Amino acid sequence: EAGVTQFPSHSVIEKGQTVTLRCDPISGHDNLYWYRRVMGKEIKFLLHFVKESKQDESGMPNNRFLAERTGGTYSTLKVQPAELEDSGVYFCASSLDRGQPQHFGDGTRLSIL
Amino acid sequence: GENVEQHPSTLSVQEGDSAVIKCTYSDSASNYFPWYKQELGKRPQLIIDIRSNVGEKKDQRIAVTLNKTAKHFSLHITETQPEDSAVYFCAASNPNSGGSNYKLTFGKGTLLTVNP
Repeated sequence: EAGVTQFPSHSVIEKGQTVTLRCDPISGHDNLYWYRRVMGKEIKFLLHFVKESKQDESGMPNNRFLAERTGGTYSTLKVQPAELEDSGVYFCASSLDRGQPQHFGDGTRLSIL
Repeated sequence: GENVEQHPSTLSVQEGDSAVIKCTYSDSASNYFPWYKQELGKRPQLIIDIRSNVGEKKDQRIAVTLNKTAKHFSLHITETQPEDSAVYFCAASNPNSGGSNYKLTFGKGTLLTVNP
């Protein structure tokens, strides 16, 4: 069984540009989560999808971040325009059902110059 | 909201010794506590978890204990090996409450170094 996959593994962009991160959950997992770890701090929750619906987006920092999961399969997280403080590692996780263990991807390391 | 504190931030042990990492949480309603291991450049990997209906869970050299009254839980690794070296994260959530409480709240992580 393939694990959670994320693309790209690393992205370097300039302040003001746009970046789109992609996450493919484990096949059959309806629940998809986005987290990020900024500047060596703790991993923080961004949002949670159940299929194509946003269950909880309380962790989204501001309206420069847009997450989508059309069709309830893969998800994208777009940052537009990117700011310096957005640098960090963005993780995606998926679970079979709500309340079940969450399995993480390798993350996307985002560097804003 | 939930707040998770994790100690120590770094831990160095000799191969064969035991290692203990402790976490405290603030929300008494939290009832699910996973531990993740992250090796350098790799994904956080779930190594063990515990739910609040049990006080201890063991899997080979790894064990987790939970004290609901004191709101703390700990990871115990016995007979440590160099390949146990990694960053360990504790987390808490309340997945049975429904609504929007399936998110994990993480501690800041512990860098464990096992010296040969």
